[in-house]
Amino acid sequence: GNSVTQMEGPVTLSEEAFLTINCTYTATGYPSLFWYVQYPGEGLQLLLKATKADDKGSNKGFEATYRKETTSFHLEKGSVQVSDSAVYFCALSGVAGGTSYGKLTFGQGTILTVHP
Amino acid sequence: DAGVTQSPTHLIKTRGQQVTLRCSPKSGHDTVSWYQQALGQGPQFIFQYYEEEERQRGNFPDRFSGHQYPNYSSELNVNALLLGDSALYLCASSPEQGLNTGELFFGEGSRLTVL
Repeated sequence: GNSVTQMEGPVTLSEEAFLTINCTYTATGYPSLFWYVQYPGEGLQLLLKATKADDKGSNKGFEATYRKETTSFHLEKGSVQVSDSAVYFCALSGVAGGTSYGKLTFGQGTILTVHP
Repeated sequence: DAGVTQSPTHLIKTRGQQVTLRCSPKSGHDTVSWYQQALGQGPQFIFQYYEEEERQRGNFPDRFSGHQYPNYSSELNVNALLLGDSALYLCASSPEQGLNTGELFFGEGSRLTVL
């Protein structure tokens, strides 16, 4: 079955530091890949996505590239802010017609804390 | 435009009891999914409803059941509660055609504690 593995956390950084959160996946075919973020006291929200190999998703300064050859979708940001403190989840969704279409498989989440 | 709303936000039950959680999807969304998020873990897919029918189901026992109403709102029912059912239950909605993009809109969840 499908699975997503995220780097073990938590991650603590100083403001303006570079961020990388690793994510690898196991899936059949060509899943769509996502990063969701959960800010304190809020629901999960989509941060960025990529639907095919070599696609780069980007939003709010965050980027992730769909690497089919390494089955990875690492999240990066060049300069983090205190407001980026949240829990980040990598996820995948199966292709249309497949058994996992329309449902997300999540990683365990990475807690990011950014200090001033 | 209201997003996904869930109720109640918190509740406490004892083992063996039954619980019903409710969800109103985002306006214009006709597909509702439910996820269970244990403490420190990622959300796990429970099931998905579309056109008032369960369309997909994750690896959860029959104690977990659901319903979708004609107005697209949904309920999650859990019978014979176990301590291990303590978790944050998330409702997510999307337009049916939006499933292909994978973007789900999540509520803030219902925190269930089983004693």
